[in-house]
Amino acid sequence: DAKTTQPNSMESNEEEPVHLPCNHSTISGTDYIHWYRQLPSQGPEYVIHGLTSNVNNRMASLAIAEDRKSSTLILHRATLRDAAVYYCILRNTDKLIFGTGTRLQVFP
Amino acid sequence: DAGVIQSPRHEVTEMGQEVTLRCKPISGHDYLFWYRQTMMRGLELLIYFNNNVPIDDSGMPEDRFSAKMPNASFSTLKIQPSEPRDSAVYFCASSLPRGSKIHNNEQFFGPGTRLTVL
Repeated sequence: DAKTTQPNSMESNEEEPVHLPCNHSTISGTDYIHWYRQLPSQGPEYVIHGLTSNVNNRMASLAIAEDRKSSTLILHRATLRDAAVYYCILRNTDKLIFGTGTRLQVFP
Repeated sequence: DAGVIQSPRHEVTEMGQEVTLRCKPISGHDYLFWYRQTMMRGLELLIYFNNNVPIDDSGMPEDRFSAKMPNASFSTLKIQPSEPRDSAVYFCASSLPRGSKIHNNEQFFGPGTRLTVL
């Protein structure tokens, strides 16, 4: 599985936008970019995924670079409940291989 | 839908004892995954099943670990004998097949079982 690189931690203030970056320079043509997050003391939960085009859903937006070597998860207005570890995962099989993720802190 | 159900939520046992963790996937999901999470190693995939058949058990740490899925609504992860280094949070997840247009191909995780081996 191709590897992703994310910052260990990021901070944001409540109600501000948050841009969580992910580098995946060895991505293959069949790899989908998935994002999951894990709230404290809970199991991971799906956030969003995409292949080439930018994607939007009720939780977030996913911006994918034209060369697909990087992507950015965008939380449009961070809330305290968005404090979590965010995982960027490349997937082309049934499996999810989790890295270390980015720990997002949100301040009131 | 109740989501993925795991039991027990917490388990404390002594070294050498047998431990059985249980999982009920979401009804209709034909994939089931077992993960382990520790501070040192993060989230690791242990094994996964498709239609009750184990597909990939390459993440199972050693022979002390075994997993079964006797039917579509139940799976167990057993550790025998347990050791202190097995202490972790064990998650079960289920999903529809990759490429399914329902649920965006996502895995749904249970709340986890926190295992402490003394």
